[in-house]
Amino acid sequence: AQSVAQPEDQVNVAEGNPLTVKCTYSVSGNPYLFWYVQYPNRGLQFLLKYITGDNLVKGSYGFEAEFNKSQTSFHLKKPSALVSDSALYFCAVRVGKLIWGLGTSLAVNP
Amino acid sequence: GAVVSQHPSWVICKSGTSVKIECRSLDFQATTMFWYRQFPKQSLMLMATSNEGSKATYEQGVEKDKFLINHASLTLSTLTVTSAHPEDSSFYICSARDSLRLNTEAFFGQGTRLTVV
Repeated sequence: AQSVAQPEDQVNVAEGNPLTVKCTYSVSGNPYLFWYVQYPNRGLQFLLKYITGDNLVKGSYGFEAEFNKSQTSFHLKKPSALVSDSALYFCAVRVGKLIWGLGTSLAVNP
Repeated sequence: GAVVSQHPSWVICKSGTSVKIECRSLDFQATTMFWYRQFPKQSLMLMATSNEGSKATYEQGVEKDKFLINHASLTLSTLTVTSAHPEDSSFYICSARDSLRLNTEAFFGQGTRLTVV
């Protein structure tokens, strides 16, 4: 079955430190990969996507993600975390319809 | 960037009444829109795919007679929760993609918090 895994329910990081939110997938074919962020009681905001080309994708708010085909991963990263980055992060893969990870709650501590 | 507007952002209704939620794509055309339901601290659950000018496609386990979807134009889809009950209380989110652009991401409305009392 096609699936997306976000192995960490919660990630805690100190402000100013680098952050990584992990995502792995299991789909057939060449997937389109996305990261979205959700703030409390709000819809999802698009951060970045990988369709083809350079494996390192840069997105909104200083986030980036690296597509690793051999490891079937698409981890989200940011060199220096801000308290305002605290939110719920979703990884998604599109193979026809979107398949969603369960989300990772990021807490950035001052 | 593309904007999807969802209205209302929150609604409280009495058990047994119906509630309509609107989803509009403001600056692009969307032949397909998607309706999700999200429980607290959980991921998005796709309820149905709304198709302009035709019937919606519902996911397994979603009652089509309870969650009525209408997609009458290229920029508007509505979800009506009929005869709402407290267990229908949830956060409902719509999304849409630009029909004229390939390989684009989906854009999401701000969500509707439904509380049935």
